[in-house]
Amino acid sequence: QKEVEQDPGPLSVPEGAIVSLNCTYSNSAFQYFMWYRQYSRKGPELLMYTYSSGNKEDGRFTAQVDKSSKYISLFIRDSQPSDSATYLCAMSVTGANNLFFGTGTRLTVIP
Amino acid sequence: DTAVSQTPKYLVTQMGNDKSIKCEQNLGHDTMYWYKQDSKKFLKIMFSYNNKELIINETVPNRFSPKSPDKAHLNLHINSLELGDSAVYFCASSQTPDQPQHFGDGTRLSIL
Repeated sequence: QKEVEQDPGPLSVPEGAIVSLNCTYSNSAFQYFMWYRQYSRKGPELLMYTYSSGNKEDGRFTAQVDKSSKYISLFIRDSQPSDSATYLCAMSVTGANNLFFGTGTRLTVIP
Repeated sequence: DTAVSQTPKYLVTQMGNDKSIKCEQNLGHDTMYWYKQDSKKFLKIMFSYNNKELIINETVPNRFSPKSPDKAHLNLHINSLELGDSAVYFCASSQTPDQPQHFGDGTRLSIL
């Protein structure tokens, strides 16, 4: 079993839709949780960084962590065609070092 | 200004050759990393350096040797390239080992 599981998609939604992206994990020691966005032929770009359980909001993006269920989510409100990318979840035990990544979910937002 | 830059962007070479990939960051960060992303987009850490000292060395063949001449640079040298080394290699940096990482745009390595 992989440390981090993520549905690879692809996921297609119409512009303006609410998108929900999810990851599950097996290591209960993970405390730091991140979401990265990766455009084609580019490196991952940090979107959200959270510690332990709870919610964090930044503009149209909301990250949720449920440590009891070992489940994290990223919600994108009012999705735009520019949100079309691969979204990677990542997590670690100590800080942001030694990250364990999911395989990424490919999202397409259709105008 | 590119924060984390890698060269070359594309590298096509034959099996058995030795090649190097260079990485430079202008963010003033103390920690740098190398990751490998395979054809299924799975991103896995290879090495991490903090203040020029190796702090993470995952199970990577010893044909791969990182070198950090200073805090702003972390180069990756690969000996005796094999077909399985074909992948995208990403360099990243962070202020300290527990801060979020910033990635370069990757070096696409293809072994013929």
